[in-house]
Amino acid sequence: KNEVEQSPQNLTAQEGEFITINCSYSVGISALHWLQQHPGGGIVSLFMLSSGKKKHGRLIATINIQEKHSSLHITASHPRDSAVYICAAYNFGNEKLTFGTGTRLTIIP
Amino acid sequence: ETGVTQTPRHLVMGMTNKKSLKCEQHLGHNAMYWYKQSAKKPLELMFVYNFKEQTENNSVPSRFSPECPNSSHLFLHLHTLQPEDSALYLCASSQDPGTHTEAFFGQGTRLTVV
Repeated sequence: KNEVEQSPQNLTAQEGEFITINCSYSVGISALHWLQQHPGGGIVSLFMLSSGKKKHGRLIATINIQEKHSSLHITASHPRDSAVYICAAYNFGNEKLTFGTGTRLTIIP
Repeated sequence: ETGVTQTPRHLVMGMTNKKSLKCEQHLGHNAMYWYKQSAKKPLELMFVYNFKEQTENNSVPSRFSPECPNSSHLFLHLHTLQPEDSALYLCASSQDPGTHTEAFFGQGTRLTVV
């Protein structure tokens, strides 16, 4: 069992739908990252959060430290949002970054 | 374009070959990282360099040898690789060396070992 689990593994939705990707972790963390990997491999860092909620454009990330759970939401989804979304748990104490296996999102026009 | 450039984008090499992957960033970042992504496996952190000094080596086999001559360049030297080393190798950089904050990733090098 991975220390960082994501669900679903694959998600296909129609353009405009509200998307939720979940991440649960069993390790102690200082912060949690959400990353976006586009076809071809390029990865960009979307959020790093340690509590509460962050919003950037149509993307919202939330984290519940007590429940060891984070969610990434995409509002008004668009085909260009199609990518693999990866969450990664960071422990500042041992500088360990543990990655989930990713969620492949496909938005159909 | 993230400001982190990796070359080559694709590489096919035999098990007896020696090759190097290159990563370059001109973002003024102090930390650089090598990651490996194999199919259907989580992204794995291989090496971390802070201010040109290697601070982390996550049990990576010695057939992978990193080099960081300055804060803008990072290399991954490859020799006598195995077919299971075929993967996407990603380089990243960040301003803050300790926390992986706002990491910027390159496009990656798709490596195939034959």
